[in-house]
Amino acid sequence: DAGVIQSPRHEVTEMGQEVTLRCKPISGHDYLFWYRQTMMRGLELLIYFNNNVPIDDSGMPEDRFSAKMPNASFSTLKIQPSEPRDSAVYFCASSLAGRSYNEQFFGPGTRLTVL
Amino acid sequence: EDQVTQSPEALRLQEGESSSLNCSYTVSGLRGLFWYRQDPGKGPEFLFTLYSAGEEKEKERLKATLTKKESFLHITAPKPEDSATYLCAVIGTYKYIFGTGTRLKVLA
Repeated sequence: DAGVIQSPRHEVTEMGQEVTLRCKPISGHDYLFWYRQTMMRGLELLIYFNNNVPIDDSGMPEDRFSAKMPNASFSTLKIQPSEPRDSAVYFCASSLAGRSYNEQFFGPGTRLTVL
Repeated sequence: EDQVTQSPEALRLQEGESSSLNCSYTVSGLRGLFWYRQDPGKGPEFLFTLYSAGEEKEKERLKATLTKKESFLHITAPKPEDSATYLCAVIGTYKYIFGTGTRLKVLA
């Protein structure tokens, strides 16, 4: 299995530009999570989906952030417009339901730099 | 408010020098506590899930334990390849909360 796939691995953009991060979860997994990691705040859950439906988006910092999951094999996290304080590593993770559903498999992350 | 605190922030050990990492939590309705390992430039890698006080899990040189207020990750006779950041996370009331981690460095 290829694991969770994220693209791009690195993104450098200028303030005000739209940024789209992409994630392909592990086949068969029905939960998908988006996280943001910074030195100051550690790993923060932004939003998670179950069977392509958003369950909890309370971690999304503001309306500039949006996430979609149009099908079981693809999700996007969009920032529009981007700001320097959005610079961080963004991780996508997926897991299976059941008592062990909490075991999350993380992708390699996208390092975002907003100038 | 749900909260996870890890200590120490950083730890340096000599190879073979056993020690423990701490994860203290306050959460309503704990559904599970998790330990992950994160290497530089990579995503976290799952180690253990603990569901109830008194539960213990082991994997090679690592052993995780859980009480009603904290969890310990015991590292026995560590090797340089155990160097990483160890993250603790809890699920309470459908909230996933990660601690900021303990950066472990094991010297040969």
